[in-house]
Amino acid sequence: QSALAQPPSASGSPGQSVTISCTGSSSDIGAYNYVSWYQQHPGKAPKLLIYEVTQRPSGVPDRFSGSKSGNTASLTVSALQTEDEAHYYCSSYGGSDNLGVFGGGTKLTVL
Amino acid sequence: EVQLVQSGAEVKKPGESLKISCKVSGYTFTTYWIAWVRQLPGKGLEWMGRIDPSDSYSDYSPSFRGHVTISSDKSINTAYLQWRSLRSSDTAIYYCARVRTVGATIDHWGQGSLVTVSS
Repeated sequence: QSALAQPPSASGSPGQSVTISCTGSSSDIGAYNYVSWYQQHPGKAPKLLIYEVTQRPSGVPDRFSGSKSGNTASLTVSALQTEDEAHYYCSSYGGSDNLGVFGGGTKLTVL
Repeated sequence: EVQLVQSGAEVKKPGESLKISCKVSGYTFTTYWIAWVRQLPGKGLEWMGRIDPSDSYSDYSPSFRGHVTISSDKSINTAYLQWRSLRSSDTAIYYCARVRTVGATIDHWGQGSLVTVSS
């Protein structure tokens, strides 16, 4: 399985919205509604933000939302806050071997 | 509260063996899979493989198959990641994570174990 494609960086000002894309293939993102997004702050473990394309675990602010179209998933962060500055990783179920595949990660900078 | 607590940092020499652990609590160990995820210094996340603790069946990503072994002991709610012969390129942070059995969604993470391999 090849890694999913994410832009290496994204940025926005406090209060603005930013969208991060995650492009896969018809074998992963396009085939299943099992796309997840994770937030990782420096020196910390990743944290689940979005699962099954659009679902938020309890405790995750509704400023974070997910969507999917074809082979591309997206994470939108609305009303940016300084604490949103972190790395964001997408992941999809890959089908074979019951394993997942991650994107390369996007560093979000809040200017 | 779901918790995955990993063993501490390790410093090893190339060629040495190593087994790191991940002890879980707050849920029934055998109802979710455990995955191991590698993060090379300054790099992204990589699925290494996963195990079903109910029957110890494991799957590996092609990049890691044959180099590591994932195991579990359901009597003590613990999963393991093992190397027989470490390489300097194994220097990384290794995370264990709880995985939903449908869709391979990781929903909880351990704190990470730093493994340094250096002569």
